[in-house]
Amino acid sequence: EDQVTQSPEALRLQEGESSSLNCSYTVSGLRGLFWYRQDPGKGPEFLFTLYSAGEEKEKERLKATLTKKESFLHITAPKPEDSATYLCAVLDGGGADGLTFGKGTHLIIQP
Amino acid sequence: EPEVTQTPSHQVTQMGQEVILRCVPISNHLYFYWYRQILGQKVEFLVSFYNNEISEKSEIFDDQFSVERPDGSNFTLKIRSTKLEDSAMYFCASSVKEQFFGPGTRLTVL
Repeated sequence: EDQVTQSPEALRLQEGESSSLNCSYTVSGLRGLFWYRQDPGKGPEFLFTLYSAGEEKEKERLKATLTKKESFLHITAPKPEDSATYLCAVLDGGGADGLTFGKGTHLIIQP
Repeated sequence: EPEVTQTPSHQVTQMGQEVILRCVPISNHLYFYWYRQILGQKVEFLVSFYNNEISEKSEIFDDQFSVERPDGSNFTLKIRSTKLEDSAMYFCASSVKEQFFGPGTRLTVL
């Protein structure tokens, strides 16, 4: 069974204080690892897809990296508008269509 | 920018009633999905749909659930006889590669 574990569950940072969120996964074969942002009461908003170990993707203050066992979402000099829950999800290489999500990291950036 | 839309945004129903949740996927996407998120819990896969048939379904997607693409634009999720535990946010998604999610329908079963 696919497993996705995110840590920490919650993180409070000061504006400008960089940090990283972790997503560790167990799959039979990775077809893709996805990062989403979710604001309260809204649907997940796509951020990145990573396909193979060593791959990195960047968008504004966010950078996602991937190893064979985990992914990191690095947040550099965050702003209050980066406050959200960040979700990690995997697509199993066994032919499954559905994403398996982690519980998310609730990030709060204080001004 | 194209986006997935869902209606209604909030549905309140009595236990045992049928509900239909509606979605309009992004127009050139070929794969369609339904997920749910119970309050405070993780997003869970329900079903995927491709080429006018179910491609995969999870253990949650039992006989009470059905999906349909009644025309070229809509994609629906029907819950035949709602239970209290069906109360959740239901998200539709569509994809060519990455899955893009709609804003969700909050279903409240009383």
